[in-house]
Amino acid sequence: QSVLTQPPSASGTPGQRITISCSGSSSNIGGHPVNWYQHLPGTAPKVLIYNSNQRPSGVPDRFSGSKSGTSASLAISGLQSEDEADYYCAVWDDSLNGWVFGGGTKLTVL
Amino acid sequence: EVQVVESGGGLVQPGGSLRLSCSASGFTFSTYEMFWVRQAPGKGLEYVSSITTNGAYTYYSDSVKGRFTISRDNSKNTLYLQMSSLRVEDTAVYYCVGWPGYWGQGTLVTVSS
Repeated sequence: QSVLTQPPSASGTPGQRITISCSGSSSNIGGHPVNWYQHLPGTAPKVLIYNSNQRPSGVPDRFSGSKSGTSASLAISGLQSEDEADYYCAVWDDSLNGWVFGGGTKLTVL
Repeated sequence: EVQVVESGGGLVQPGGSLRLSCSASGFTFSTYEMFWVRQAPGKGLEYVSSITTNGAYTYYSDSVKGRFTISRDNSKNTLYLQMSSLRVEDTAVYYCVGWPGYWGQGTLVTVSS
């Protein structure tokens, strides 16, 4: 069980805006930037957001990240069928002296 | 073009050892912290270990501390993971990552008798 809590599932219809939350503590999200990853089975995970709200080149601006206190969120607007994947948050944890991933959220596009 | 290629995975008995290698190209390897991340069957991503750019500092998850050793050779653009005292629960696809965004396709490690 991860120290970062994500909802196990989320869903939305094409065109909709959804958010995925990642809840932590002062030893991780509260003091460090968060990364978000998209993972499709059988492929390499892809970084969507780093430093809590920065988008790498090539990632559509439909994806955005935010952080407040000990929680972070990934928002996806204009939902598309190809967004159906697993999403993970990741952050450094001072207590563990290492990085930690959230448990992952499976996004279904209805 | 960025390429990150893991090798060395395979089937090993519990208690055995295995060394994974990761060859990187297309980015300045020596300036990137490097990570190993794994995914067990049906499970989520799990941080395993990381190493700073010059190899001076290494970090491990509690689940592998004392059994796994991460190292790097910047002259060869190569990352390693020496795994010993392997357990069934170490069975997973192991990804090499130029943190945060350069991921390999992974190599499967299966620990079974």
